[in-house]
Amino acid sequence: AQSVTQPDIHITVSEGASLELRCNYSYGATPYLFWYVQSPGQGLQLLLKYFSGDTLVQGIKGFEAEFKRSQSSFNLRKPSVHWSDAAEYFCAVGAQGGSYIPTFGRGTSLIVHP
Amino acid sequence: DAGVIQSPRHEVTEMGQEVTLRCKPISGHDYLFWYRQTMMQGLELLVYFNNKAVMDDSGMPKDRFSAKMPNASFSTLKIQPSEPRDSAVYFCASSLGPSNTEAFFGQGTRLTVV
Repeated sequence: AQSVTQPDIHITVSEGASLELRCNYSYGATPYLFWYVQSPGQGLQLLLKYFSGDTLVQGIKGFEAEFKRSQSSFNLRKPSVHWSDAAEYFCAVGAQGGSYIPTFGRGTSLIVHP
Repeated sequence: DAGVIQSPRHEVTEMGQEVTLRCKPISGHDYLFWYRQTMMQGLELLVYFNNKAVMDDSGMPKDRFSAKMPNASFSTLKIQPSEPRDSAVYFCASSLGPSNTEAFFGQGTRLTVV
């Protein structure tokens, strides 16, 4: 079964600073990988996804993520954080083939200081 | 499309009462998921459907929870009897499926059992 680890429960950055949120997955084959964002009181919104091909994936709101097979990682990055990026971020993995059960990490809470 | 619609948005009930959460998936989506989000456990998959059939309900406490999808545009998650430990935010999500498509989330139902 697949699993996802987000090592950082909270991340605090200053507005305008760069951001990297970590995600490590465990799966026997090439996974499908997702990053979602959850604003307070809202559902989850997809930021970006990786299925195959180029390992650097561009998403909405200026986010990108890089799939590194050797490190089993799919870290989310943004070069300059805005105050509106403060939210909860979830990494998720979906299994190729067989039944589809998207598995989510515990989430990383992003705090943005002015 | 209006997206995934959940009702009610908030529910406060007394322990022992029956609670029914409702979900309308995006039209044409074959997969429907029910998740529970708590501070302690994060996002847990309770059950998911494919073409109205339960595919996996291993995450759902069977003694008090039941999930149904009587037609392609409606699903319910019922808790009877409810307990304080069921207090959480319950999300419904749908996707075109299979694995390489994103899940679209509703805004959730915040359930409080007192």
